[in-house]
This record gives sequence, C-alpha cells and structure tokens, in this order.
Amino acid sequence: SQKIEQNSEALNIQEGKTATLTCNYTNYSPAYLQWYRQDPGRGPVFLLLIRENEKEKRKERLKVTFDTTLKQSLFHITASQPADSATYLCALPSGGSYIPTFGRGTSLIVHP
Amino acid sequence: GAGVSQTPSNKVTEKGKYVELRCDPISGHTALYWYRQSLGQGPEFLIYFQGTGAADDSGLPNDRFFAVRPEGSVSTLKIQRTERGDSAVYLCASSLRGQIYNEQFFGPGTRLTVL
Repeated sequence: SQKIEQNSEALNIQEGKTATLTCNYTNYSPAYLQWYRQDPGRGPVFLLLIRENEKEKRKERLKVTFDTTLKQSLFHITASQPADSATYLCALPSGGSYIPTFGRGTSLIVHP
Repeated sequence: GAGVSQTPSNKVTEKGKYVELRCDPISGHTALYWYRQSLGQGPEFLIYFQGTGAADDSGLPNDRFFAVRPEGSVSTLKIQRTERGDSAVYLCASSLRGQIYNEQFFGPGTRLTVL
C-alpha cells in the first residue's frame, strides 16, 4: 500500500507570500490526488482534485501540481492570508481501492 | 444547512462500555464513509457504504467495531467493549455516488474519549 508523506513541521509564512506544501507518495502512481483543508475541531473540506493525466490544476488562489516521475504533488496558495491558516491534507487511493488514504497533514500559519 | 451531521459531538465513556455514533449524510448521497482521526494524524479509513451495503470494511480494526446503514441514509458506527485506544475523533463523510473522482463531504466528527 502507499505511504503518504507530508511535512509534519508547521509552515510559517508572511501574509501576501506564496505558501507551498508538499505531498510525496512512495509506490505506484495513483489515479488521482486530492487536497483538503482542516480547521481545528472540524472535518476536512475538499479543495481540489487532480487526475493522474493532469500536470496542474488551479482554483482561484490555489494551484496543485502532480509529478508522477517525482511521485509528488505540490499545493500552492498565492497571496496568502491569515485566514488560510489551517492544516492541509493530501489524499490518494491506496491498494486496490479508489477510496482515498490521507496523509497526516501539514499545518500552515500565515502571519499578518 | 444541508451538510453532513454527526451526533453526539462529544462522547465520554468508560472502558468496556458500548457506544453508538450517528451520521446523517447529505440527502441523495449514496456513498458514506467512516474514518477515525487521532491527534496529529490524518483520517484513517474504517468502512465504506454504497447504499445499504458495506462495500468495503477493510479498515475496521477488529470485530468490536461494526457499522450499519439500514435504509441507505443514516449510518451508525457501533463499538463494543470500548478500550482507551479507541479514543479519537470519528469522522463521517458522504459523496454523491462513491465513484472514483467524487469529492467527499465531511461532518464535524464525534470526539470519543474512553476513560
């Protein structure tokens, strides 16, 4: 099954900068990869899905890339705001199922 | 709103007791998932329902855990003989059809504490 790696250390950045979060996986390339946002005490909220044949996906200030050679997805938030502070989870199917397996998430803290 | 709801929001119980956690998915969503999340970790898959049937229960850790969805809507996760290691946030999610690219909508979770 897949091992999903997200940086456990929090990412601290200044408001207005671009935040970049990394998700690495270890085995076969998944059919898709998703990014979720989770605030304390709440369930994850879906942000973006990128398919295996897509290199990049954008939604407003969010951009996701998918590099199947590096086995890596990057999640970017441009013009970051303190309200973007949260934990960001990547998820991708593992094993023979299409059900997503989640990484442990990376905490993003945007300072005003 | 019409999101996924879960009850109770918090449950404290004693070791060895039985608990039931309820999930009310978004109306019309045929797929329902249960996850549990420990502090500092991502959600861990437990079971997936497509309609009334459990299509994948490979994540249930042992036979103390059981879930039902008798009418294809509300689901109940049941834990027998609770152990301290069962303490976690139990999350429920639903999706429209449970197909490969469907996004999941999560509820707020039930925080279970086993003393």
